[in-house]
Amino acid sequence: DQQVKQNSPSLSVQEGRISILNCDYTNSMFDYFLWYKKYPAEGPTFLISISSIKDKNEDGRFTVFLNKSAKHLSLHIVPSQPGDSAVYFCAASVARDDKIIFGKGTRLHILP
Amino acid sequence: ETGVTQTPRHLVMGMTNKKSLKCEQHLGHNAMYWYKQSAKKPLELMFVYSLEERVENNSVPSRFSPECPNSSHLFLHLHTLQPEDSALYLCASSRLRWGTSGWEEQFFGPGTRLTVL
Repeated sequence: DQQVKQNSPSLSVQEGRISILNCDYTNSMFDYFLWYKKYPAEGPTFLISISSIKDKNEDGRFTVFLNKSAKHLSLHIVPSQPGDSAVYFCAASVARDDKIIFGKGTRLHILP
Repeated sequence: ETGVTQTPRHLVMGMTNKKSLKCEQHLGHNAMYWYKQSAKKPLELMFVYSLEERVENNSVPSRFSPECPNSSHLFLHLHTLQPEDSALYLCASSRLRWGTSGWEEQFFGPGTRLTVL
């Protein structure tokens, strides 16, 4: 059973608008959440993270929101740029655990 | 070379072949990881090495055999694989093993696309 779910396999957004990528999790023990970005033929690269003690973390155009009661997090990209077209992976972990649990990813297409 | 490199980038092998995947990190990290990404599935952790010692084996079949001769190199030896083992195999490294002292950023290589015929 998937502990981290990204229910939208793909998303298309107009350049300049806001992109919102969603992620749901089932394990209430998760206390650290990450977003990775992956271009074709490259490995995933870390984008932004959030600890469960916060509900928002912002880094430039990227903001991650965490709703613990709903077991939901989202990544907002604003404004969206052509270089943001990539696959985005949501991931979660329990402190002191060895593993990061990844979602299947959402492919984001930024339309000109 | 910088970052994490993987060779080969693509590999096609028969079920009776023996091959090895290689990963090298130039970041001075102490932990290295093998992940598998099958089509339409999440990344799955296979092996974790910390200071060249294996600390995690996520119930991976014995036809996959990792080797970490030093903190910069990681191998995945493959033998008698099955077609369902076809996947993208990603190597990653981090300064310390994930979970040792909280969050450690993992740096991924580009992966080896493996096809088993």
